[in-house]
Amino acid sequence: QMQLEQSGAEVKKTGSSVKVSCKASEYTFTYRYLHWVRQAPGQAPEWMGWITPFNGDTNYAQKFQDRLTISSDRSVNTAFMELSSLRPDDTATYYCSTSESTVTTYDYWGQGTLVSVSS
Amino acid sequence: DIQMTQSPSSLSASVGDRVTITCRASQSIRSYLNWYQQKPGKPPNLLIYAASSLQSGVPSRFSGSGSGTDFTLTITNLQPEDFATYYCQRSYSNPADSFGQGTKLEIK
Repeated sequence: QMQLEQSGAEVKKTGSSVKVSCKASEYTFTYRYLHWVRQAPGQAPEWMGWITPFNGDTNYAQKFQDRLTISSDRSVNTAFMELSSLRPDDTATYYCSTSESTVTTYDYWGQGTLVSVSS
Repeated sequence: DIQMTQSPSSLSASVGDRVTITCRASQSIRSYLNWYQQKPGKPPNLLIYAASSLQSGVPSRFSGSGSGTDFTLTITNLQPEDFATYYCQRSYSNPADSFGQGTKLEIK
């Protein structure tokens, strides 16, 4: 069974950055797309971007284009999501998830990382 | 971007009932439509993919139908563990804004 294990909760100040990790196991890390999806309290999930660990290609939602960086380290089967210039409305649970292809069916998810941003 | 509109936003039902949730796309997405169940404090869980295919391990009381722009998720013989929030999601085209706004299924 594929597993995605995320780093712990973070509390940040407005204007700072956060970096969340997602360690994959029980599948070949380079064979799947790794997505970041966030969910603000009481809201629907929102796709942020993906990375293909095979070659490091990334694709970001236009909304986050200027402050989101997704990266991966194949040596430790881990992906990272860094969001800068944090605002209070970035307070959300951030999930990593996988899909087999660019057909974005999210079949496995991490447990989520709560990021709280205050001024 | 293709917009997804889900209805109703909330729904009350009893154990043993049959319920239907609908999802409409602003333009055709063929059968590129998934359904997820989410419980508080947990990530979404894939129930149905490609509009009507049941994900492995999901009970057969869940079913999906539709193609093009109109889709439905049906749950028959509601069980206590089915009370949750359900989201549709298009898996075609730009992944941004691909989720519906959700339907909260509550116990009557």
